Amino acid sequence: ETGVTQTPRHLVMGMTNKKSLKCEQHLGHNAMYWYKQSAKKPLELMFVYSLEERVENNSVPSRFSPECPNSSHLFLHLHTLQPEDSALYLCASSQDPQTGDQETQYFGPGTRLLVL
Amino acid sequence: AQTVTQSQPEMSVQEAETVTLSCTYDTSENNYYLFWYKQPPSRQMILVIRQEAYKQQNATENRFSVNFQKAAKSFSLKISDSQLGDTAMYFCAFKLSGTYKYIFGTGTRLKVLA
Repeated sequence: ETGVTQTPRHLVMGMTNKKSLKCEQHLGHNAMYWYKQSAKKPLELMFVYSLEERVENNSVPSRFSPECPNSSHLFLHLHTLQPEDSALYLCASSQDPQTGDQETQYFGPGTRLLVL
Repeated sequence: AQTVTQSQPEMSVQEAETVTLSCTYDTSENNYYLFWYKQPPSRQMILVIRQEAYKQQNATENRFSVNFQKAAKSFSLKISDSQLGDTAMYFCAFKLSGTYKYIFGTGTRLKVLA
């Protein structure tokens, strides 16, 4: 247990559905991250929020929409996804690297997403 | 641009023996951090060990230790007295100090055999 939780753990959706992934951290961190993990590929950083502001957006398609209402919660809203978006989506948190000296990320268990 | 390479997709080791996982990276910067993360079959990624580039001493956490060769840009992980619970994917990661971007390798799948 790392102090980062994600729901749901598994999600199956059609290409026309809209769904949201939720992440919550209980570590007092102020930076949160979304990653996509596909088989035999390095983790792909999707979005980074620091103090509820987006600070990184790595050319992610607009069908993925992040939201960070406060420093403990992070959402990933999904709509009109493609089958190639099927993957494990990981959330992580850390202290803000630019204000703190804690450089370690802590990960949630992930949401396994299947797009049909 | 920074890159991280793990050249061993899969490895196996007998229980109680020692195994070393390789990681090399490329950067022209001087201040950075290196990490080894473990992802067991349950999929929660957990930190195994981390190394600050400015520290010459190799990091150690119980049975886990690293061999950090800054000039060679090498960061290998040694697991001593391997246990069945060490079976997992191991990811090497790099991060420049003060930035948000963590760069991960493709991982090494380690299987500990009884």
